[in-house]
Amino acid sequence: QQPVQSPQAVILREGEDAVINCSSSKALYSVHWYRQKHGEAPVFLMILLKGGEQKGHEKISASFNEKKQQSSLYLTASQLSYSGTYFCGTEFWEGSNYKLTFGKGTLLTVNP
Amino acid sequence: EPEVTQTPSHQVTQMGQEVILRCVPISNHLYFYWYRQILGQKVEFLVSFYNNEISEKSEIFDDQFSVERPDGSNFTLKIRSTKLEDSAMYFCAGGLSYNSPLHFGNGTRLTVT
Repeated sequence: QQPVQSPQAVILREGEDAVINCSSSKALYSVHWYRQKHGEAPVFLMILLKGGEQKGHEKISASFNEKKQQSSLYLTASQLSYSGTYFCGTEFWEGSNYKLTFGKGTLLTVNP
Repeated sequence: EPEVTQTPSHQVTQMGQEVILRCVPISNHLYFYWYRQILGQKVEFLVSFYNNEISEKSEIFDDQFSVERPDGSNFTLKIRSTKLEDSAMYFCAGGLSYNSPLHFGNGTRLTVT
């Protein structure tokens, strides 16, 4: 039920771009993206509702392909502050409730 | 900006002891969650809580776990008889509704010895 994230880890030099993918076998209602720095709580980045929309947050944007139940997070011109673990959370209806489950995370390291 | 507050930040307990982890959510949030994260691993869903009752729980959330919102503000997670494998960071989170961002607390690091 948990979404599958890829890659598991990526190392960048400052200024390079990265794409993190998230896919689910469930019919999704929404996709959340969070970033967690070591020893801290996850912090919300953005949420995408079904409808294939794309959202942006500074130089970080994301898309949601509702038909494929996939979302991608795009980080452009990466900064040192982007380092952390990125989690996607997928929200789907099951039984009589919505459920939000997280992928295993993608560790992003941005080096000078 | 309002935030989710969790106490204590670190709890050390002996195996078999009961622990209560506390959370004060943001006041206008209606949906509450507990997640746990074993060191270096993913964030795992434990339980969701809405309208003063559990709305969803995972297979991890067995009879040893319980949640309460006793006074309309605090949201607690109780582990009745802790096991070594319960050692993890426990995060409380809240949201206004489904499809809304989750706001996480800073977590309680539980160490069971």
